[in-house]
Amino acid sequence: DAGITQSPRHKVTETGTPVTLRCHQTENHRYMYWYRQDPGHGLRLIHYSYGVKDTDKGEVSDGYSVSRSKTEDFLLTLESATSSQTSVYFCAISESGPLNEQFFGPGTRLTVL
Amino acid sequence: DAKTTQPTSMDCAEGRAANLPCNHSTISGNEYVYWYRQIHSQGPQYIIHGLKNNETNEMASLIITEDRKSSTLILPHATLRDTAVYYCIVRVAEGFQKLVFGTGTRLLVSP
Repeated sequence: DAGITQSPRHKVTETGTPVTLRCHQTENHRYMYWYRQDPGHGLRLIHYSYGVKDTDKGEVSDGYSVSRSKTEDFLLTLESATSSQTSVYFCAISESGPLNEQFFGPGTRLTVL
Repeated sequence: DAKTTQPTSMDCAEGRAANLPCNHSTISGNEYVYWYRQIHSQGPQYIIHGLKNNETNEMASLIITEDRKSSTLILPHATLRDTAVYYCIVRVAEGFQKLVFGTGTRLLVSP
């Protein structure tokens, strides 16, 4: 299995509080992604990174920011959590190149009360 | 990226072959077909991908029709651990590596 860890694995927080989720990889892959998964919506891309300090928005980026200061770490921050951000968050990584397989982490279950 | 259509759910007996269909009638010449699966509560897992030729690996086989408008993922000897949601995704292989997941097919393998 690809070396991807996510922390925390579970978190319960209150509306209005800031939350940071961490994705850590040991594969030295260039690309990293944050997705959220909600019933009836499948996985939706929040933000992605194509290198250190290089990030861009996905399809559901409102209310989220990201940072990547090292190849191995990609942080997702909810500046002021809302109940609509209750979800399961998955991090993924991929190498550059034509195969483009993405490897996913175990997920973080976030509940915003 | 082209849109895909998959059945909502399928059943399969343990030990039998599971054949999961996917329609992608608007696929372009440079788009690949990818399959991922997601076992309950886990992150998605890559299975296989192909362009126009049939492909096989240790997990599954991918059969793509000659006109490339549909494909079938085959799990030759399904086990209970193959119970999962299977996603068929069509996309180009170059450039930004975004995956668009639909709602997939929920495969239930029963004893």
